[in-house]
Amino acid sequence: DGGITQSPKYLFRKEGQNVTLSCEQNLNHDAMYWYRQDPGQGLRLIYYSQIVNDFQKGDIAEGYSVSREKKESFPLTVTSAQKNPTAFYLCASSLRGGAYEQYFGPGTRLTVT
Amino acid sequence: AQSVSQHNHHVILSEAASLELGCNYSYGGTVNLFWYVQYPGQHLQLLLKYFSGDPLVKGIKGFEAEFIKSKFSFNLRKPSVQWSDTAEYFCAASSGGGADGLTFGKGTHLIIQP
Repeated sequence: DGGITQSPKYLFRKEGQNVTLSCEQNLNHDAMYWYRQDPGQGLRLIYYSQIVNDFQKGDIAEGYSVSREKKESFPLTVTSAQKNPTAFYLCASSLRGGAYEQYFGPGTRLTVT
Repeated sequence: AQSVSQHNHHVILSEAASLELGCNYSYGGTVNLFWYVQYPGQHLQLLLKYFSGDPLVKGIKGFEAEFIKSKFSFNLRKPSVQWSDTAEYFCAASSGGGADGLTFGKGTHLIIQP
């Protein structure tokens, strides 16, 4: 089946620890994205990548880092510098950046205590 | 700054009622517009999209939306809702030729009562 996988579904961490969220796609899409979803806030863009070895900051990049070493993978690291890391994180991909539909993964719910 | 606003955060309707969810955007230049839906426990999925051409676009499950450039609006409509339409609905936009991500509205939680 073609699609986007995110793992794990639920993740728990202690405050002060970095944590990496996985995102893999087998759709052969060039562009990939990370969003954060908070209740009543909609989705907000963290980082995006249009092509391998290139990525750009989104609206709320502070406290996060990404890499794009392979076309199919776009992991997100939530660092200890992120002040409010508890949230639902969604990964998406599209054939190209811009005017193309984005396909979303099932999400990872991160809880930091 | 680019922004998308949705007028209603919570909407409760009875089955067979008509639905209209408001969405306004603030973007310079050309814009691409989307409505996404998130059913309970499911992935976010695309309902419909507007890039150019006919301003009335039809999507899945009987939904449609109309792009009104003069009003900076892209309202979602359905003539007769079903209980299975209970979900969170998000309006989103991206710049016309750009390669950046989507800007989302805060969402509308729709509950359909049988």
